[in-house]
Amino acid sequence: AQTVTQSQPEMSVQEAETVTLSCTYDTSESNYYLFWYKQPPSRQMILVIRQEAYKQQNATENRFSVNFQKAAKSFSLKISDSQLGDTAMYFCAFRPGGSEKLVFGKGTKLTVNP
Amino acid sequence: NAGVMQNPRHLVRRRGQEARLRCSPMKGHSHVYWYRQLPEEGLKFMVYLQKENIIDESGMPKERFSAEFPKEGPSILRIQQVVRGDSAAYFCASSPTYSSGTDTQYFGPGTRLTVL
Repeated sequence: AQTVTQSQPEMSVQEAETVTLSCTYDTSESNYYLFWYKQPPSRQMILVIRQEAYKQQNATENRFSVNFQKAAKSFSLKISDSQLGDTAMYFCAFRPGGSEKLVFGKGTKLTVNP
Repeated sequence: NAGVMQNPRHLVRRRGQEARLRCSPMKGHSHVYWYRQLPEEGLKFMVYLQKENIIDESGMPKERFSAEFPKEGPSILRIQQVVRGDSAAYFCASSPTYSSGTDTQYFGPGTRLTVL
């Protein structure tokens, strides 16, 4: 069974600084997709970034980037120039190729301090 | 383009009552997914539907839970004879098409069910 592990239940960072959230996953699949979702206090789930396993290049979306290490089964999220609005729960999610099920980690609560 | 719509946003039921949660996918999306989030947990997959078909219900409890996505109208997640353990946030997501699982799922705001 595929599992996703987020080892940091809570993190904090000062505004304008950089923070990295870790995520590891366990799978025997070779083709899969990885996602980071953000859940602010409103509880809406918002897609932050996605990565296809077959792509070697790390995905980036503005201030958000990932460090995808396929051999290590690691998929960390880096947030640069942190903003107060980045305060939220962040969930790492995995989906095998050919499947529609997303498997989520338990989340990391990020607080950005002024 | 309106996002995924869910209603109600909050639902309170007494033990033994029925809960009906509705989800309207994004325009142009024909695939709907339901997930449940227990307190302090990540989301857990429940069911995947296309119009008039249940494709994967491997995450659905065997009893009291059912889901449908009719040809017309929203997808419905129905929970009969609710118990306190059903209290959770229920999220719906949609995607435009199934093609080797490449499409991103976009989530609605969720329905928070409280069972008294």
